[in-house]
Amino acid sequence: AQSVTQLDSQVPVFEEAPVELRCNYSSSVSVYLFWYVQYPNQGLQLLLKYLSGSTLVKGINGFEAEFNKSQTSFHLRKPSVHISDTAEYFCAVSVGNNNDMRFGAGTRLTVKP
Amino acid sequence: KAGVTQTPRYLIKTRGQQVTLSCSPISGHRSVSWYQQTPGQGLQFLFEYFSETQRNKGNFPGRFSGRQFSNSRSEMNVSTLELGDSALYLCASSFQGWEQYFGPGTRLTVT
Repeated sequence: AQSVTQLDSQVPVFEEAPVELRCNYSSSVSVYLFWYVQYPNQGLQLLLKYLSGSTLVKGINGFEAEFNKSQTSFHLRKPSVHISDTAEYFCAVSVGNNNDMRFGAGTRLTVKP
Repeated sequence: KAGVTQTPRYLIKTRGQQVTLSCSPISGHRSVSWYQQTPGQGLQFLFEYFSETQRNKGNFPGRFSGRQFSNSRSEMNVSTLELGDSALYLCASSFQGWEQYFGPGTRLTVT
């Protein structure tokens, strides 16, 4: 079965600094990869997804991620963060047309002024 | 399009009781998945329904069950509640099976 590891549980960063949230996955077959964001007391919002094609994926709010098959990674990046980016970020993987989506433990991004 | 809605948003129950949570998917979406989110275990997949049939199931005891109606609305039921069932229960709907849209969740507190 597929699984996801988010390497950092918390990432503090100053406003306007770049940030990278790391995600590694394991699967014996081809996967679909996702990043979601969760603001306090809300559900999850899809930031971006990799299904196939270009390995560099651009999402909402200026985020992007790069799929690296050889390193089984899907790291999330933003060149300049804002206070409003403070939230919990989840990496997720699913296999095929299968809604058994597995989530990482989450990374708490805190943007400081 | 209206998003995924979940009712109720907050619920307090006592141990041993049962509870039913409801989820209305985005119009046109036939797949509904349920997740449990807790600080200790994170996000865990409960089950997925597609066209009124359970298509996938996570590793939860039989006290957790669900169903889907012909209009794609789904309900989740937890019987004989335990303190450890306190969690945020999230519902997600999708059209093609992999891009899921989440509702705001139902916060269940078991006392």
